[in-house]
Amino acid sequence: DSGVTQTPKHLITATGQRVTLRCSPRSGDLSVYWYQQSLDQGLQFLIQYYNGEERAKGNILERFSAQQFPDLHSELNLSSLELGDSALYFCASGRRNNEQFFGPGTRLTVL
Amino acid sequence: AQKVTQAQTEISVVEKEDVTLDCVYETRDTTYYLFWYKQPPSGELVFLIRRNSFDEQNEISGRYSWNFQKSTSSFNFTITASQVVDSAVYFCALSEARNNFNKFYFGSGTKLNVKP
Repeated sequence: DSGVTQTPKHLITATGQRVTLRCSPRSGDLSVYWYQQSLDQGLQFLIQYYNGEERAKGNILERFSAQQFPDLHSELNLSSLELGDSALYFCASGRRNNEQFFGPGTRLTVL
Repeated sequence: AQKVTQAQTEISVVEKEDVTLDCVYETRDTTYYLFWYKQPPSGELVFLIRRNSFDEQNEISGRYSWNFQKSTSSFNFTITASQVVDSAVYFCALSEARNNFNKFYFGSGTKLNVKP
């Protein structure tokens, strides 16, 4: 158990809908990262937050947004969902900039 | 250009065989970190090791060992006497510091199948 929690574990929704994925980092970790892993694909970096501020952006679509709250938990919002958004979404956290511990992931299925 | 290359897409071995997973990275930084993660069929990503660029000592942890060679920009991972439970996808990753914040790059992963 990495200490990073993600909810929900599974999410099934329809195209066009909007969902919110939640991540609670390990106690004391200021950095939160979001990744997308499509079927049989590697990890695609989406976005990074540090102590509430956006620090780096990867291949994140405009339909996706994220934020990190004062209590350091983070949410990833996915809107106007498409079939291709079906994937495993991981959150990772770290105390230092050179570490990442991953949560169990949220499996999103868009029907 | 790929920052981290894992050329082996899939490897199959029989239990008790040794297996090495290759990882080649690319960076111009002098300070960087290398990682290995394991993703079993259950899907979670398990941290295995972190190595900084100044420490080229090889590391051994039980049946796992890592060979870091800056001269060839490689960070290979060997599993000795493989077991069925080692079946998973293994990811190599590189971390570079940018403006005091690190960017992480992951390889495409190597799927290891260990057959009984």
